[in-house]
Amino acid sequence: AQSVTQLGSHVSVSEGALVLLRCNYSSSVPPYLFWYVQYPNQGLQLLLKYTTGATLVKGINGFEAEFKKSETSFHLTKPSAHMSDAAEYFCAVSHIIQGAQKLVFGQGTRLTINP
Amino acid sequence: DGGITQSPKYLFRKEGQNVTLSCEQNLNHDAMYWYRQDPGQGLRLIYYSQIVNDFQKGDIAEGYSVSREKKESFPLTVTSAQKNPTAFYLCASRGFASYNSPLHFGNGTRLTVT
Repeated sequence: AQSVTQLGSHVSVSEGALVLLRCNYSSSVPPYLFWYVQYPNQGLQLLLKYTTGATLVKGINGFEAEFKKSETSFHLTKPSAHMSDAAEYFCAVSHIIQGAQKLVFGQGTRLTINP
Repeated sequence: DGGITQSPKYLFRKEGQNVTLSCEQNLNHDAMYWYRQDPGQGLRLIYYSQIVNDFQKGDIAEGYSVSREKKESFPLTVTSAQKNPTAFYLCASRGFASYNSPLHFGNGTRLTVT
């Protein structure tokens, strides 16, 4: 069965510093992978997704993620953090059962930006 | 604008009462989902529906019920059998264009049961 592990429930970086949020997945088939962002008391917004093809995926707000099959990882990065990036981030893997897509989510990583 | 509307945003109930959370979408999506979110546990799937008049249990369906009488609507009832109903509930939808199409989420309903 597919599963997702996000390393670190809380990550804190300084404004302007590199953001790195870690995600490892378990999947018996080539995965579809997603990163979502959630601001307080709101729903989830898609940042980026990996399906097939290029392993470096660019998303919104300057984020990108690299799919590494050998490491079963899909880490999210941003070169320079901005105060507005403070939010909770979720990695998810797509799981197909009887023709229905289900997303399995990681536990989330709360990102704090220090001024 | 197309989107998913969840109402109300905040809901308070006494223990032992059933409560229904509303979810409406105008994206013309076939599939709809309900997730529960608790701190530190990510999102867990409660129920999902791929077409009208059909739905399947997710990972934590006990104490919940749903209906799908219209394509646009997928209400969730939290029954008195749900042992720990206080949580943030998120509704989502997805078109059937391809299996890698992402979920679109509403802004959630925060339910507090005392």
